[in-house]
Amino acid sequence: GAVVSQHPSWVICKSGTSVKIECRSLDFQATTMFWYRQFPKQSLMLMATSNEGSKATYEQGVEKDKFLINHASLTLSTLTVTSAHPEDSSFYICSASYPLAVDYNEQFFGPGTRLTVL
Amino acid sequence: AQTVTQSQPEMSVQEAETVTLSCTYDTSENNYYLFWYKQPPSRQMILVIRQEAYKQQNATENRFSVNFQKAAKSFSLKISDSQLGDTAMYFCAFIPDGGTSYGKLTFGQGTILTVHP
Repeated sequence: GAVVSQHPSWVICKSGTSVKIECRSLDFQATTMFWYRQFPKQSLMLMATSNEGSKATYEQGVEKDKFLINHASLTLSTLTVTSAHPEDSSFYICSASYPLAVDYNEQFFGPGTRLTVL
Repeated sequence: AQTVTQSQPEMSVQEAETVTLSCTYDTSENNYYLFWYKQPPSRQMILVIRQEAYKQQNATENRFSVNFQKAAKSFSLKISDSQLGDTAMYFCAFIPDGGTSYGKLTFGQGTILTVHP
């Protein structure tokens, strides 16, 4: 149980275009979803936290207008990278949590999406 | 704010031997949870082991065990009988059980572990 998927797993786009990444909880209702960014051989950096039906909370330094996050349902959150540039190339990971997982504050991670901007 | 520090960027070990990865953290919270995650070349994050701060007993999961020293704010991971499949990047992570950062994981820098045959 507690499986999280991401789509696509790898996307290549041209500079200036927008890219949408989906994060789905497959067998549970995710009240909270998190988006992370990871550069090669580096740690995960939290970008934003989203709760179903409300606006995402962004971490300091993350551009809200560039990284649009929508959590419209209890099983789906999307991250849209708008007007992507080569410096946005990275590995994006989502995670999800649900109230019962609060016992251990556990998050369930998706497999990640590799974004390459040409 | 919490910080998590992993001072070993890279480690290597021979198959079947034991290796210990270190982690220290800093927090003013009294209640929190600590985790070790494994990220293999596939980059899927895998939970290895968790520890509740209020429990004095060290957590153990098969070949993986931790040495949790709350006063010293230390949380090391010991891998016994290392296997080739243990080759991965390991992250120590902290999550407070309350406060403004409730629910947010803070990760250490990571340690790349290579198991040699």
